Amino acid sequence: QVQLQESGPGLVKPSETLSLSCTVSGGSINSYYWSWIRQPPGKGLEWIGCIYYSGSTNYNPSLKSRVTISVDTSKNQFSLKLNSATAADTAVYYCARGQFAGSYFSPFDYWGLGTLVTVSS
Amino acid sequence: SYELTQPPSVSVSPGQTASITCSGDKLGNKYACWYQQKPGQSPVLVIYEDNKRPSGIPERFSGSNSGNTATLTISGTQAMDEADYYCQAWDSSTAVFGGGTKLTVL
Repeated sequence: QVQLQESGPGLVKPSETLSLSCTVSGGSINSYYWSWIRQPPGKGLEWIGCIYYSGSTNYNPSLKSRVTISVDTSKNQFSLKLNSATAADTAVYYCARGQFAGSYFSPFDYWGLGTLVTVSS
Repeated sequence: SYELTQPPSVSVSPGQTASITCSGDKLGNKYACWYQQKPGQSPVLVIYEDNKRPSGIPERFSGSNSGNTATLTISGTQAMDEADYYCQAWDSSTAVFGGGTKLTVL
């Protein structure tokens, strides 16, 4: 059973960089696309971007200028960096897997539990 | 940018059929999927590729997609189905989610 676990600081100061990691267990990070998705408190889901195990990335145009997603296959882990954080970036951040190996346009079949990141001084 | 529109809320009586719609321009030309999210939990995929159920999802969940509207149908709705439901599709390499629908079973 594939499991995903987000980790990182729960509090980030405005203008600083929000950094999170997602560790994949119970399966290999290879051959799949891996995404970051966020959910502000009481609101809906927003896709941030994704990475293929090979390192190719794609980002939501609304966040592209501030986002970097990277992968470390040796650790079965991928990461998110969001620059210049503001209060509007306060959300539960989820990592998720694309369902079909090698397929970009997959739905998300495995999700982490999510981690709340608050942007506040 | 592409948008998916869902009704904010839908109510259904136990045992009846609930239908949740998701509207987007030419959505029928794309694959739609649906997620169920209960309070404090991560989303769970309940329908993918318009009408397919992942393993472990009850048969009472079904989906359709045509024209500009995708529909999630829950037959014989149970109290445990009360949750938020989100549709999702891909457009121009971006994953787009609907705003979500709160399903109330009363």
